Amino acid sequence: DVKVTQSSRYLVKRTGEKVFLECVQDMDHENMFWYRQDPGLGLRLIYFSYDVKMKEKGDIPEGYSVSREKKERFSLILESASTNQTSMYLCASSLTGDHTYEQYFGPGTRLTVT
Amino acid sequence: AQRVTQPEKLLSVFKGAPVELKCNYSYSGSPELFWYVQYSRQRLQLLLRHISRESIKGFTADLNKGETSFHLKKPFAQEEDSAMYYCALSGYNQGGKLIFGQGTELSVKP
Repeated sequence: DVKVTQSSRYLVKRTGEKVFLECVQDMDHENMFWYRQDPGLGLRLIYFSYDVKMKEKGDIPEGYSVSREKKERFSLILESASTNQTSMYLCASSLTGDHTYEQYFGPGTRLTVT
Repeated sequence: AQRVTQPEKLLSVFKGAPVELKCNYSYSGSPELFWYVQYSRQRLQLLLRHISRESIKGFTADLNKGETSFHLKKPFAQEEDSAMYYCALSGYNQGGKLIFGQGTELSVKP
């Protein structure tokens, strides 16, 4: 059973702080993803990674960066948090070559920036 | 451009009534379509995929390439079906990425 965990369920940060969101998966998946989930906008892809140290921008990368030093861990970094980054952040993973394209999601981190 | 559209933000039905959540897509090529569901306080999970042609929890979805639609249907809604539903699309040229629609909140009233 695939398990994707995220470091925090709730996080409150101040404007300008550097914020780290961590995601770990235990199924040896090559692909990992970071989304933000906002009402009426659905899930929007921020960044994804298809291998260690590899990353690609998604649809809304501005204000974010990522790090993947180990296969099981994918970190999302908000360099200088702003109030418009208040959102639910979801991490997901999937297997390369899995033509079902199924992604497995973490429980989410609700980030509030004040 | 690849896009998934769910025209309804909220769909409210009574228990036992039929339900249809609409999904339309735009994709150049052969798409793979999915429905994901998020129940209250639970993580997002796959409900069904068109390629499996299966019924999950009484839900079915048929890919209509002519109308570029993948509507989710259930003949008799249950209260436990209340959740957020997302339609998603992928394909060989997406590199494993999914494109999600805006989501439809289904509320089934007793």
